[in-house]
Amino acid sequence: AQSVTQPDIHITVSEGASLELRCNYSYGATPYLFWYVQSPGQGLQLLLKYFSGDTLVQGIKGFEAEFKRSQSSFNLRKPSVHWSDAAEYFCAVGANGANNLFFGTGTRLTVIP
Amino acid sequence: DGGITQSPKYLFRKEGQNVTLSCEQNLNHDAMYWYRQDPGQGLRLIYYSQIVNDFQKGDIAEGYSVSREKKESFPLTVTSAQKNPTAFYLCATQQGSASNQPQHFGDGTRLSIL
Repeated sequence: AQSVTQPDIHITVSEGASLELRCNYSYGATPYLFWYVQSPGQGLQLLLKYFSGDTLVQGIKGFEAEFKRSQSSFNLRKPSVHWSDAAEYFCAVGANGANNLFFGTGTRLTVIP
Repeated sequence: DGGITQSPKYLFRKEGQNVTLSCEQNLNHDAMYWYRQDPGQGLRLIYYSQIVNDFQKGDIAEGYSVSREKKESFPLTVTSAQKNPTAFYLCATQQGSASNQPQHFGDGTRLSIL
């Protein structure tokens, strides 16, 4: 069965600093991977997705993620964080034959001036 | 996401009462989903529907019911059998049923107990 682990519950970074949010998945074949962002009291917005091909994926708002099969990881990165990036971030995995996505428990990002 | 409307934004339930959360979409997406979100637990799937007049239980369906009479609408009823209904409820849609398609989310309904 598929599963997703986001090891960091809460991360605090300074504005302008770089960011990396970790995501590890469990699935036997090549998964479909997604990162979503959620602002307080709102729904989830898709940041980026990986299906196949180039393992470095570019998304919206300056985010990117890299798929590393050997590490079963799909970490989200941003070179310079803005105060508006403060939110909760969810990694999700889909698989062939599955009817839904499996979500991690989320990482809450705080940005300090 | 534009095109997915959840209402109401806030809802209060009395003991023993059933309440219905609305989810309407104009994206012409085939699949619709209901998730429950609790702090620190991520999103848990309640029900999903891939086609009109058909729906499937998710991981935590007990105490909930749904219907899919129209492609655009997928209402969720929280019944009195759900003993801990306080949560944030999210509706999502997906074009087609293949798991390589991203899901699109409404802005959620927050349900509380009076």
